[in-house]
Amino acid sequence: QLVLTQSPSASASLGASVKLTCTLSSGHSSYAIAWHQQQPEKGPRYLMKLNSDGSHSRGDGIPDRFSGSSSGAERYLTISSLQSEDEADYYCQTWGTGISVFGGGTKLTVL
Amino acid sequence: QVQLQESGPGLVKPSETLSLTCAVSGYSISSGYYWGWIRQPPGKGLEWIGNIYHSGSTYYNPSLKSRVTISVDTSKNQFSLKLSSVTAADTAVYYCARGGVGANGAVDYWGQGTLVTVSS
Repeated sequence: QLVLTQSPSASASLGASVKLTCTLSSGHSSYAIAWHQQQPEKGPRYLMKLNSDGSHSRGDGIPDRFSGSSSGAERYLTISSLQSEDEADYYCQTWGTGISVFGGGTKLTVL
Repeated sequence: QVQLQESGPGLVKPSETLSLTCAVSGYSISSGYYWGWIRQPPGKGLEWIGNIYHSGSTYYNPSLKSRVTISVDTSKNQFSLKLSSVTAADTAVYYCARGGVGANGAVDYWGQGTLVTVSS
């Protein structure tokens, strides 16, 4: 069964960096994912597509402070030079033949 | 710039059918990609509902499959969602989106979302 697992919460200081993790279920370590950001009271925004080899392509207008990396079944989103507007929920999403799945989301607090 | 805009009633009675339409601009649905619906109950995470291709090929979330129909109108460059026999548990913000399944499965464009409340 295709499942994505995310930690419910994370925190980091203004100006620092943070690395969020999304874990693919067993047998699905080759899958690509997408990262999405949802700021408070707003709709989701596509950040990037992240492949199993760590290559990634950011969406329109997404700054290079947002980067992705991969290791085995883990997919990471690193946000550097944290800003107050980065405080948001972050969701990973993957897809297979005829199915799409979202992780439970990570709430990022910028201290 | 691809833009998606949801429209439809914001209030639906229990046991009735929820109907929403998504108008797409800046890209022709017939040019490719799957197009789909995702929802988010208040205070909760995102749930994939289903996708459609311009040919009419569809995929649905197994947990909703018996109640969901997604259709496409390429002449109007829009697609629609129908969810039957709704209950309070279907109260959510409904988003339309490009992507979800297929070769280009990453959801890369989202609508702004529309809140649908199920209540008598």
